Amino acid sequence: QGQLVQSGAEVKKPGASVKVSCKTSGYTFTDYYFHWVRQAPGQGLEWMGRINPDSGDTNYAHNFQARVTMTWDTSISTAYMELSSLTSDDTAIYFCAKDRDTNGYLYFDLWGQGTLVTVSS
Amino acid sequence: DIQMTQSPSSLSASVGDRVTISCRASQRIFKFLNWYQLKPGKAPKHLIYAASSLQSGVPSRFSGSASGTDFTLTISGLEPEDFATYYCQQSFSTPLAFGQGTKVE
Repeated sequence: QGQLVQSGAEVKKPGASVKVSCKTSGYTFTDYYFHWVRQAPGQGLEWMGRINPDSGDTNYAHNFQARVTMTWDTSISTAYMELSSLTSDDTAIYFCAKDRDTNGYLYFDLWGQGTLVTVSS
Repeated sequence: DIQMTQSPSSLSASVGDRVTISCRASQRIFKFLNWYQLKPGKAPKHLIYAASSLQSGVPSRFSGSASGTDFTLTISGLEPEDFATYYCQQSFSTPLAFGQGTKVE
């Protein structure tokens, strides 16, 4: 089935960057895309983008394109999401998720536990 | 970009009730529609893919349907563990947008 374990909570000052990790186990790391999704306080889920750890291809949502970088390290089966130029609006829980394709239909079948990022001066 | 509009934003229900949540896509997405359940402090749980296919292990009281750009999640016989927030998500094209969520309380 697999498991995704994310790094711990972070507190950052405005203007700083944060890098969240997502360590995988239980399946072949390069077989599936990783996605990053966030949930700000009192808000819904927001898709940030995805990375193909086999090819390195990325797709970023427009809102984050200028500030987000998604990377990976196959040797330790870990994906990363770095967000720069943080503001208080970036205070949120950040989730990694692995996707799966069944009969051509894509969904997120495995999620990390979430990482709380707080941006405060 | 495809926009997903969910309704209602919240609803009040009791154990045993039949609950219906709606989701509308801004353009045709065929059956590329997922449903997730989110509880505070927990990872989201995938419930349904392809608009109406139940993920393995999900109770059969959950069901999904589609009509054009309108999608519905139905919980037939609400259980105590079903009080949560539910999100639809389109997987037809990037960005893979979610609806705003429906809180069942």
